[in-house]
Amino acid sequence: SYELTQPLSVSVALGQTARITCGGNNIGSKNVHWYQQKPGQAPVLVIYRDSNRPSGIPERFSGSNSGNTATLTISRAQAGDEADYYCQVWDSQGVFGGGTKLTVL
Amino acid sequence: QLQLQESGSGLVKPSQTLSLTCAVSGGSISSGGYSWSWIRQPPGKGLEWIGYIYHSGSTYYNPSLKSRVTISVDRSKNQFSLKLSSVTAADTAVYYCARGDRTVTTYWFDPWGQGTLVTVSS
Repeated sequence: SYELTQPLSVSVALGQTARITCGGNNIGSKNVHWYQQKPGQAPVLVIYRDSNRPSGIPERFSGSNSGNTATLTISRAQAGDEADYYCQVWDSQGVFGGGTKLTVL
Repeated sequence: QLQLQESGSGLVKPSQTLSLTCAVSGGSISSGGYSWSWIRQPPGKGLEWIGYIYHSGSTYYNPSLKSRVTISVDRSKNQFSLKLSSVTAADTAVYYCARGDRTVTTYWFDPWGQGTLVTVSS
């Protein structure tokens, strides 16, 4: 079955740019979706189909996908961006990465 | 605004069947060609997709759970349900329902319900 690999944790200084990666075999040939999950809350879609933002998601959130790595980029990081982030693809079933905890310092 | 709300038993004994329902409000479960999924998250762990259903009743399940999962839809009540049989402690998790959107090659999930914790214990 298809596997997605994310770093356990990423730290970013307040106001700087955070990049969270999602690795998978030739993941660039698939569409990647990203979810933000704050403690005690349900996941929220922040990027779909590699680089599309749902309505209500700030422009600070962007995505890219090429080769074996997809990346979620959060510009001008805010304290409110602290959360777990999950990537997801469809490979004959829903597949999620293990999640990355983003800490804003 | 579409909203989903899970309900059901929060405590299930080992070997018994877990049953949950997801009520959809703010839109019809029969409109738009969307799928309706169940996703779970064991405490402190990541997300696992369980399966989906269309309003037509067509279903598709995670192969690792397929033998134990049944998802059904009740269009008259605008809700869909999950049954997971022969549960063990490994099935303890927060269970989420979510709407699935799609293209020809991919699915994604938005929005999600708030989730409900199901504990498997005697």
